[in-house]
Order: sequence, then structure tokens, then C-alpha cells
Amino acid sequence: GAVVSQHPSWVICKSGTSVKIECRSLDFQATTMFWYRQFPKQSLMLMATSNEGSKATYEQGVEKDKFLINHASLTLSTLTVTSAHPEDSSFYICSARVPGQDSPLHFGNGTRLTVT
Amino acid sequence: AQSVTQLDSQVPVFEEAPVELRCNYSSSVSVYLFWYVQYPNQGLQLLLKYLSGSTLVKGINGFEAEFNKSQTSFHLRKPSVHISDTAEYFCAVSAALSGNTPLVFGKGTRLSVIA
Repeated sequence: GAVVSQHPSWVICKSGTSVKIECRSLDFQATTMFWYRQFPKQSLMLMATSNEGSKATYEQGVEKDKFLINHASLTLSTLTVTSAHPEDSSFYICSARVPGQDSPLHFGNGTRLTVT
Repeated sequence: AQSVTQLDSQVPVFEEAPVELRCNYSSSVSVYLFWYVQYPNQGLQLLLKYLSGSTLVKGINGFEAEFNKSQTSFHLRKPSVHISDTAEYFCAVSAALSGNTPLVFGKGTRLSVIA
């Protein structure tokens, strides 16, 4: 089945630094990837839709200058949290859909970000 | 726009007992419905999906769900739960299965199976 790999699975960084999270589709090409954020014991909130070769589309309330998304290839999308603050600590999950098929989203295993 | 309501935030149940996790949705267009399971600090795993056809869909791990259009519901059921079913369960809806259409999730239901 379709596999989405996310790296790293967890990261701790100091306030003010930047962190990059990678999302790869391992056995298919994903023209579109979705980035979600999950606060503790809450649901997944869509942050942005990442399209290969073009700018990401951000949801209302998501700072695009803080959460930089790059989708430079058909198998890789990255989310960079810039100048991280403790309130950015969260669980970030990417997902992708196999193109050309009526299929559900496949999710990565998520990245636990802790900003100290 | 679509929305999903999971009526129960937590459901405790004894091992081998049946369970039902409730999900209602709202949409002005036809939708596709999904249930995902999330174990601690992990991503989401698809349990089952309703795309079309039979309203009773069977998924992995013995789970099933029934699509009820008149009641706009998609409740998840399992006749006999195991300790290993303890997890967070999310109901989700999508207006399409392609392109830039994301999933909209409910707030989740924490299923706790008690020995």
C-alpha cells in the first residue's frame, strides 16, 4: 500500500531556532500533500495544502511566514517552523493521496515538536 | 463546507464488550466518510471508508460502520473489543477523493478498554 514517511519523528529545539520536517511519499508521486497540526488531546487541524512546483495554500489563521512549506519534488514536501516558540510545540502530521485514484489520504507517523 | 461532530470525547468499555463510537456530519454536497485510528505519538491509520454502494462497510480489526444518509451519521461499531483497541478514533469527511480536497476531522473519541 501507499506509504508516507515523515522525519524526524520527534525533535526538541530551543526557542528562536528553526526546525525542518520532511514528508516523503515512498512508493507514489504526490502532487498534493496536506499538513495538519494536532494539539494534545485535540483533533487534526489543516494548516496548509502543499502543491508540487507552486506555492502552498494556507488555511486562515496560519502564518505562512512562520510555517514555510516547500514542495520541490513529487515525493517530498517540507515544513519549516521558523523562529520557533514554545507555543509552536505540537504534533505535526503530513498526508498525501495517490493521484489518479479515488483514494483516502495516507498519513505519515507525525513529528512531535517541543520548543524549550 | 463540511463539518464532523463526534458526540463522545471519551468512551470507556470493558474488554469483550461491544462498542459504538458516534459520528455525525454536515455537508451541502455528497461526501465520503472515513474512520481513522491513532495510537499514542503516531500518525493515523485508516480503519474503513464509505465511498458508495452498501451502507454497511467493514474495516480492519473487526470494526464496521454504517452510513445513514437521512440521519447524516456514520457510527463505528465493534461487537467485542480488545485491550489493544485502546486508542483515539477520528471520524472524517471529504467532499472529493482527488486533487486539493483535504479531510475534515471530528474532535476524536478516546476509546479506553478496561480489563
